[in-house]
Amino acid sequence: GQSLEQPSEVTAVEGAIVQINCTYQTSGFYGLSWYQQHDGGAPTFLSYNALDGLEETGRFSSFLSRSDSYGYLLLQELQMKDSASYFCAGTPSGNTPLVFGKGTRLSVIA
Amino acid sequence: SQTIHQWPATLVQPVGSPLSLECTVEGTSNPNLYWYRQAAGRGLQLLFYSVGIGQISSEVPQNLSASRPQDRQFILSSKKLLLSDSGFYLCAWSQTLGYGYTFGSGTRLTVV
Repeated sequence: GQSLEQPSEVTAVEGAIVQINCTYQTSGFYGLSWYQQHDGGAPTFLSYNALDGLEETGRFSSFLSRSDSYGYLLLQELQMKDSASYFCAGTPSGNTPLVFGKGTRLSVIA
Repeated sequence: SQTIHQWPATLVQPVGSPLSLECTVEGTSNPNLYWYRQAAGRGLQLLFYSVGIGQISSEVPQNLSASRPQDRQFILSSKKLLLSDSGFYLCAWSQTLGYGYTFGSGTRLTVV
């Protein structure tokens, strides 16, 4: 079946840069999204890569390489408030819903 | 602008009791609607989705059901709750199935 793999936990220092990777298990995804979820809250949309390459939105950037079945979320100038879970989600070919990864819990430490 | 409303925020229900969670979307028409469940510290499990009134697709066999009686209303129900039904239930909507989901604030359900 379709699935996405991402690390379960990442820890990084305030002010640093962190990269959260997401790999596919199938070539059936033609787009990749990222969502942020703070503890107790709902997921919120961060970015969507419909094409290969880098998309930048402020401190956050997202990258997609469909030939490598790989993407990542890059967070720069980390702040304590960036501590949250981050989910990658693949857009399947065919008219079906997003497939979410299991999420990466990012802890930002001082 | 579009908004999504989901209620209640928290719910404690005894085993064997019924469940009804409601979600409504405002400011758009013919949205795709979704119900997700999230166990503590875990990922998002898609339960149901709907692309139109009366059209429900079930992703996971269980004792839950969903209905879409109106274009912008999505209801999650159960006739008899199980302990394993405890979790964080999230409603979401989007204009396309593969992009741009907006989630409601969620319902934290505890079955006791």
